[in-house]
Amino acid sequence: EVQLVESGGGLVQPWGSLRLSCAVSGFTLSDYSVNWVRQSPGKGLEWISYISASGTIIYYADSVKGRFTISKDDAKNSVYLQMNSLRDDDTAVYYCARDGSTTSSFYYTHWGQGTLVTVSS
Amino acid sequence: DIVMTQSPDSLAVSLGERATFNCKSSQNILYSSNNKNYLAWYQQKPGQPPKLLIYWASTRESGVPDRFSGSGSGTDFTLTISSVQAEDVAVYLCQQYYGSPTFGPGTRVDIK
Repeated sequence: EVQLVESGGGLVQPWGSLRLSCAVSGFTLSDYSVNWVRQSPGKGLEWISYISASGTIIYYADSVKGRFTISKDDAKNSVYLQMNSLRDDDTAVYYCARDGSTTSSFYYTHWGQGTLVTVSS
Repeated sequence: DIVMTQSPDSLAVSLGERATFNCKSSQNILYSSNNKNYLAWYQQKPGQPPKLLIYWASTRESGVPDRFSGSGSGTDFTLTISSVQAEDVAVYLCQQYYGSPTFGPGTRVDIK
């Protein structure tokens, strides 16, 4: 069974940093791309980052470019999102989501349950 | 970015009735080289992540009941539930993946 489990969320002050983890099982990270998608009441669902199965292709949404860094460790079956210079509008539930095919489809067949990040002083 | 809009914002239907929701993209999301529309539909229930229902605008995901169907092309798309069941109460979201992925705001479905 495919599973993705996020962790690392919490309360952080503006300009602070947080590192999210996504532990995966039931599939091989080197076969599928993984994305981070966030959801807030104000903005709805927002795709924020992508890492290819090979790890060599990475994309970011403009809203997080230069502040967030996606990475992965295939041996640990984990994908990470390092978030720096956090702002109030980064407050959201953060999901990791797996692509639907081994050829980077960008539709998401499997999602984690999400981890809440709250940016507030 | 491609902007996705959905209508209506919410919909109340009786059990067993047909429900239809619309999704519109700000630009064409039909890729001419493969004749595929880069459009997915998700169902999201409170406190849960989205669940994929439809991709390539009309391909049903494995395990999704056949009362769910998707149609449309170019910029205008429709999700239809042929006979609404109680468990279909949720928010339905469309997503384009032609460019950087973007999602619509969703249509909330309730039982009348």
